[in-house]
Amino acid sequence: EDQVTQSPEALRLQEGESSSLNCSYTVSGLRGLFWYRQDPGKGPEFLFTLYSAGEEKEKERLKATLTKKESFLHITAPKPEDSATYLCAVLGPSTSGTYKYIFGTGTRLKVLA
Amino acid sequence: ETGVTQTPRHLVMGMTNKKSLKCEQHLGHNAMYWYKQSAKKPLELMFVYSLEERVENNSVPSRFSPECPNSSHLFLHLHTLQPEDSALYLCASSQDRFGQPQHFGDGTRLSIL
Repeated sequence: EDQVTQSPEALRLQEGESSSLNCSYTVSGLRGLFWYRQDPGKGPEFLFTLYSAGEEKEKERLKATLTKKESFLHITAPKPEDSATYLCAVLGPSTSGTYKYIFGTGTRLKVLA
Repeated sequence: ETGVTQTPRHLVMGMTNKKSLKCEQHLGHNAMYWYKQSAKKPLELMFVYSLEERVENNSVPSRFSPECPNSSHLFLHLHTLQPEDSALYLCASSQDRFGQPQHFGDGTRLSIL
């Protein structure tokens, strides 16, 4: 069964303390892996798409990487405004012959000043 | 106006009421989605529309009825809901269903009394 597992479930960091979030997946025929940020009371906000192993994307303090089994979201010198829930999703083949997005449960990140 | 807009933002209804959720996208996308988000669970895909045609129905109870009158608008009609249907309902759109990221609205917080 295709699935996406994110770890840790929650993470508390001091401002400036770099760390990484993990997204491991089991899906055959990966079409893409997506990272989103979700703030309380808001919908998920798109961050990155990764399509093939070895690919990396960067945006400000965030860097996403992809292997054949997992993706990491590295956060360098985080600030309190980086506090949010980070969601990972994969796009793979569905049983109906099309494609479907499968989401993980997210990592709740809290950055303390 | 840009992005994906959902109305209402909050809805409280009794189990015998009938109400509708509305989603509008201004991104020129061809695919639209309804998701259910409950605490500590991954986003659950409910319905997928591509070019106004329903292409996926993820075993959703018939008390939820989607409607896509054109490529910019999506509705979710609700009737005789159950308390377990209380959740955040998110609408999303994407350029296509084959590898492009989804863009989400801020959701409707639904509470069933």
